[in-house]
Amino acid sequence: TQLLEQSPQFLSIQEGENLTVYCNSSSVFSSLQWYRQEPGEGPVLLVTVVTGGEVKKLKRLTFQFGDARKDSSLHITAAQPGDTGLYLCTADGGSEKLVFGKGTKLTVNP
Amino acid sequence: DTAVSQTPKYLVTQMGNDKSIKCEQNLGHDTMYWYKQDSKKFLKIMFSYNNKELIINETVPNRFSPKSPDKAHLNLHINSLELGDSAVYFCASSRSSGTGNSPLHFGNGTRLTVT
Repeated sequence: TQLLEQSPQFLSIQEGENLTVYCNSSSVFSSLQWYRQEPGEGPVLLVTVVTGGEVKKLKRLTFQFGDARKDSSLHITAAQPGDTGLYLCTADGGSEKLVFGKGTKLTVNP
Repeated sequence: DTAVSQTPKYLVTQMGNDKSIKCEQNLGHDTMYWYKQDSKKFLKIMFSYNNKELIINETVPNRFSPKSPDKAHLNLHINSLELGDSAVYFCASSRSSGTGNSPLHFGNGTRLTVT
């Protein structure tokens, strides 16, 4: 059973478009993190959300934590080719283990 | 300045061989991890050490043995390599173990190919 479900699995868009990716679960989390992984590199932390309903912005990226702290979304405005990568959400799976979703592979075409 | 460095970046070897991957972090973190990322990009934890002590040992074959000589190093030794071991292995560290209040810092991965 996958603790964190990410959708869509793949997303290919043109530069300048907006997009939203999702991270859903039936479990409640104390916090949730988003990472971005570029080809040939390890994941890099983008943001941590802690409070239900919290919204955090990182330039053109907007992250929201669901009110019930079971889900999260990442919205990118005016996507650029540099946004291309694998977006991973992760949360505490219990027993001090961070579990990852399977990721959304985003491709932004020039 | 590389925070989490792992070597080698690429490793191609034959079935049955024994190989090691090394990892070092210069962040002063207490906890280090090994993750495996399969061909579908699914990232799954294998082991974690906190201050040289094994904390997490997932359902991983006994052929995989982590070793932490000090809290800045966590090496992974794999015996009798099998085709299914082919994957990208990531080392990571965090200030403390567990939760989202202590984010992970990843190395750039070791791509292991078993032929």
